[in-house]
Amino acid sequence: GDSVTQMEGPVTLSEEAFLTINCTYTATGYPSLFWYVQYPGEGLQLLLKATKADDKGSNKGFEATYRKETTSFHLEKGSVQVSDSAVYFCALTAQGGSEKLVFGKGTKLTVNP
Amino acid sequence: GAGVSQSPRYKVAKRGQDVALRCDPISGHVSLFWYQQALGQGPEFLTYFQNEAQLDKSGLPSDRFFAERPEGSVSTLKIQRTQQEDSAVYLCASSFDRGGETQYFGPGTRLLVL
Repeated sequence: GDSVTQMEGPVTLSEEAFLTINCTYTATGYPSLFWYVQYPGEGLQLLLKATKADDKGSNKGFEATYRKETTSFHLEKGSVQVSDSAVYFCALTAQGGSEKLVFGKGTKLTVNP
Repeated sequence: GAGVSQSPRYKVAKRGQDVALRCDPISGHVSLFWYQQALGQGPEFLTYFQNEAQLDKSGLPSDRFFAERPEGSVSTLKIQRTQQEDSAVYLCASSFDRGGETQYFGPGTRLLVL
């Protein structure tokens, strides 16, 4: 079945450091890919998405590129801030199938001043 | 309302009790989803409605779990004879279109079964 694997955390960085959170997926066809973020005490929010190969999703300085050849959707940010501390989830919806999201286990990011 | 709301936010139940969790989606949203999130894990799909029709219930873990959306708006997730392994956060999400591309999540209901 469809699945998402993301790097295990926790990840601890200093402010202004470069961030990469790896995400790879297994799915038939061309799924849509998402990054969701869960800030402390808040609900899941969509951070960015990409719906076809080579698309780049971006938001709030975060970027991720849909790589069909490596079945990856790695999340990057050039300079993290303390306010980026949260849990990040990679997810997909299968092409032509149910609309359900399939999530990875999440990666907790802590950014220290 | 401005977003998806869920109630109650917290629920403590004794093993064997029945519970009902409510979700109010964003007004006008066609699709509604329920997910279960265990501690330290990603959310896992339970069931999906398009208007009042339950199109996918493949994620419901047992026949103790039942969901409905009778008028195509508010949805209720019911768990009968709760067990300790049912302890989790139950998330509701809605999306505007049938494609379900962008799902907007509620804050969740944290269920603890003692």
